[in-house]
Amino acid sequence: SYVLTQPPSMSVAPGQTARITCGGNNIESKSVHWYQQKPGQAPLVVVHDDSDRPSGISERFSGSNSGNTATLTISRVEAGDEADYYCQVRDSSTDHWVFGGGTTLTVL
Amino acid sequence: EVQLVESGGGLVKPGGSLRLSCAASGFTFSSYSMNWVRQAPGKGLEWVSSISSSSDDIYYADSVKGRFTISRDNAKKSLYLQMNSLRAEDTAVYYCSRRLGDWFDPWGQGTLVTVSS
Repeated sequence: SYVLTQPPSMSVAPGQTARITCGGNNIESKSVHWYQQKPGQAPLVVVHDDSDRPSGISERFSGSNSGNTATLTISRVEAGDEADYYCQVRDSSTDHWVFGGGTTLTVL
Repeated sequence: EVQLVESGGGLVKPGGSLRLSCAASGFTFSSYSMNWVRQAPGKGLEWVSSISSSSDDIYYADSVKGRFTISRDNAKKSLYLQMNSLRAEDTAVYYCSRRLGDWFDPWGQGTLVTVSS
């Protein structure tokens, strides 16, 4: 089965840029989607199809996908960005949907 | 406003059964594939099952195949998950979500299922 690998945690100072990675075999051949989940809340999509941002999501959130790594970039990080972030793809070979293990972003 | 509201969670003994429901509003339910995703306490997200708009295509995670059954009633704008032979490792918050392309939006608030003796 297809595996997505994320760093368990990362820290960033307010105003800096956070780059959260999601590794997978030839992930560039897949569409990658990113979710933000704050404590006690349901997940919220922040980027879909590698780099598209849903309406209402801050332009500070962007995504890219190349080779074996997809990246969610959060610019000018704010305290309110502190959350768990998950990447997700569809494994077309099995018709399963796969999530990465999640990355906890801490704003210092 | 697009909204999904889950219900039916609770405490059940190992080997028992439970049926979850998800009520949809604010969109044409019959036009969209729907999904269940779960999250064990303190853990990450795990996709559970997906059903196409007409129920023609149904998929399950290996961890639940043969024990769980997804279904929908388009007239009632409702999604269901029948869970049988429940195990302790099925303890989780269960979310229903609408599928757009290959991504999920929105998600309901979730319903907690606890499997314990």
